[in-house]
Amino acid sequence: GAGVSQSPSNKVTEKGKDVELRCDPISGHTALYWYRQSLGQGLEFLIYFQGNSAPDKSGLPSDRFSAERTGGSVSTLTIQRTQQEDSAVYLCASSPLRASGGPGADTQYFGPGTRLTVL
Amino acid sequence: GQQLNQSPQSMFIQEGEDVSMNCTSSSIFNTWLWYKQDPGEGPVLLIALYKAGELTSNGRLTAQFGITRKDSFLNISASIPSDVGIYFCAGHPPSNDMRFGAGTRLTVKP
Repeated sequence: GAGVSQSPSNKVTEKGKDVELRCDPISGHTALYWYRQSLGQGLEFLIYFQGNSAPDKSGLPSDRFSAERTGGSVSTLTIQRTQQEDSAVYLCASSPLRASGGPGADTQYFGPGTRLTVL
Repeated sequence: GQQLNQSPQSMFIQEGEDVSMNCTSSSIFNTWLWYKQDPGEGPVLLIALYKAGELTSNGRLTAQFGITRKDSFLNISASIPSDVGIYFCAGHPPSNDMRFGAGTRLTVKP
């Protein structure tokens, strides 16, 4: 079946502009995660959605960052008034369940990422 | 944030050599996962471990879930050029979301 997809694959924007990044999770996966990865670095957790529960926004670096998940499926990460330090690869992942629901329930599957460059 | 200590940060090896990397945590984990990330791609799951002491192989890759539930290692045998990439460990604590290591960057010289 189809994996996690993200669009666009690359985005170049000017400082101060808003950007929207899209994630389509694997069908049937109830949990969705956004991460940020700076060049050569590990994964920085941003936000997490689980079903209809309120999202865990504890990783968002500033109020310029927000995310929505409509209908429990597609998610959009929005960055307002972009800054040069926002330049990074933004990765989305989905998993069947958040809490342990047996082996594999919380295994995250990643999309290819969106490379954001802020000039 | 990241609460796993992954080492080494980078490795430069000759083709054909074996590779070993590990992750440790100060707290116990219920799940250990190993991912590989190629340049310009998202991480891809290599091996998943769900039980303390579990030893699992996937081709030339072998990973183990430590008995103490606070560590895991990944071994790659007889490395080949396409093994190049960044390897991430990830663990799922009992009551929190998954944590990721900082990654091990592997370079294989032909």
